[in-house]
Amino acid sequence: AQSVTQLDSQVPVFEEAPVELRCNYSSSVSVYLFWYVQYPNQGLQLLLKYLSGSTLVKGINGFEAEFNKSQTSFHLRKPSVHISDTAEYFCAVSRTGGYQKVTFGIGTKLQVIP
Amino acid sequence: NAGVTQTPKFRVLKTGQSMTLLCAQDMNHEYMYWYRQDPGMGLRLIHYSVGEGTTAKGEVPDGYNVSRLKKQNFLLGLESAAPSQTSVYFCASSYSDRSYEQYFGPGTRLTVT
Repeated sequence: AQSVTQLDSQVPVFEEAPVELRCNYSSSVSVYLFWYVQYPNQGLQLLLKYLSGSTLVKGINGFEAEFNKSQTSFHLRKPSVHISDTAEYFCAVSRTGGYQKVTFGIGTKLQVIP
Repeated sequence: NAGVTQTPKFRVLKTGQSMTLLCAQDMNHEYMYWYRQDPGMGLRLIHYSVGEGTTAKGEVPDGYNVSRLKKQNFLLGLESAAPSQTSVYFCASSYSDRSYEQYFGPGTRLTVT
């Protein structure tokens, strides 16, 4: 079975400061990794994904994440946040091949303070 | 393209009442999903479908039924609502070769009193 742990339930950060949202996963097989973002009163949308290849992946809105296999982590980063980044961020994992259930973390609320 | 749409957006039910949530997608996706989102618990998969006429149970299927009579629609039914089913319900869809890249609807906020 696979699982995802998001270490912080809430992260307050000042506007234009850098931010890192932490995600660790557990799986006995190869996985795909994702970050989804949920803006207030909306559904989730895919922010970025790691399938294979370069361990540093870039997503929309200036976000990036690094896959670290030895530490089983997939932390999300942004060098300078904006008010519009205030949202809830979900890390997710899926096994590779065919239909595989996506397991979501419990989410991290990013609050950008003006 | 409208993407994934959900009807209704809000609903209040009394315990024991029934209702159906409708999800529609116009992206010709093979796979469709129903999730519930509760504070501190993330998203949990209720049921999913890998094609027209097929359905399968997810993590938390009890108290819910689903049907996929048409490829573009996925219905979630509550036969006898309970307060524990108070939640926000999200529908999602994906291509069969990219089940990890799911497109979500805007959600239905359901309150059972």
